[in-house]
Amino acid sequence: QKEVEQNSGPLSVPEGAIASLNCTYSDRGSQSFFWYRQYSGKSPELIMSIYSNGDKEDGRFTAQLNKASQYVSLLIRDSQPSDSATYLCAVRENNQGGKLIFGQGTELSVKP
Amino acid sequence: DGGITQSPKYLFRKEGQNVTLSCEQNLNHDAMYWYRQDPGQGLRLIYYSQIVNDFQKGDIAEGYSVSREKKESFPLTVTSAQKNPTAFYLCASTLLSGSNTGELFFGEGSRLTVL
Repeated sequence: QKEVEQNSGPLSVPEGAIASLNCTYSDRGSQSFFWYRQYSGKSPELIMSIYSNGDKEDGRFTAQLNKASQYVSLLIRDSQPSDSATYLCAVRENNQGGKLIFGQGTELSVKP
Repeated sequence: DGGITQSPKYLFRKEGQNVTLSCEQNLNHDAMYWYRQDPGQGLRLIYYSQIVNDFQKGDIAEGYSVSREKKESFPLTVTSAQKNPTAFYLCASTLLSGSNTGELFFGEGSRLTVL
């Protein structure tokens, strides 16, 4: 069974700090990785996708991928209370069809 | 506006009843998916479809059924055989080719409660 693991949290950071969210995955052949943000009671929304080793930056968000270590992370700089949500890591299976496998999510709380 | 529309947003069901959740997309996406989310949990795949008139079971298909008669539509029926159907149901879609392959876009979800 292919797995995606995240710390469930909650992760609490003060406003303005860097929040670091981590994810490991078991399918060594996976090529596509995604971070979704989910506010309480709402559906997930895509915030970052990454396909190559290294860093990918988009505004205050940076995704980091290390395929050798089977590790993907999301950094949120200058965290704001509005960033408080559950962050879901998703990994696309490396086969025909390529379903997304989701981690259980990390709850982030940004304190003013 | 392009997007994914799920209905109803809230649904109450008595035990023993079948219910059908609607999912429609106008994004011209190839593949459509149904996920279930329980409180404090990640998303678990129920069924998915990559092409009209074809679909595959996900990890928790027992007690559910789907159809894909049109590219835009992928309804999910929660049958009486599903023992614990109370959950948040999410429909999603994606392209299967192109630069953003695999990026799932979600509807707003349907919250089903069994009374």
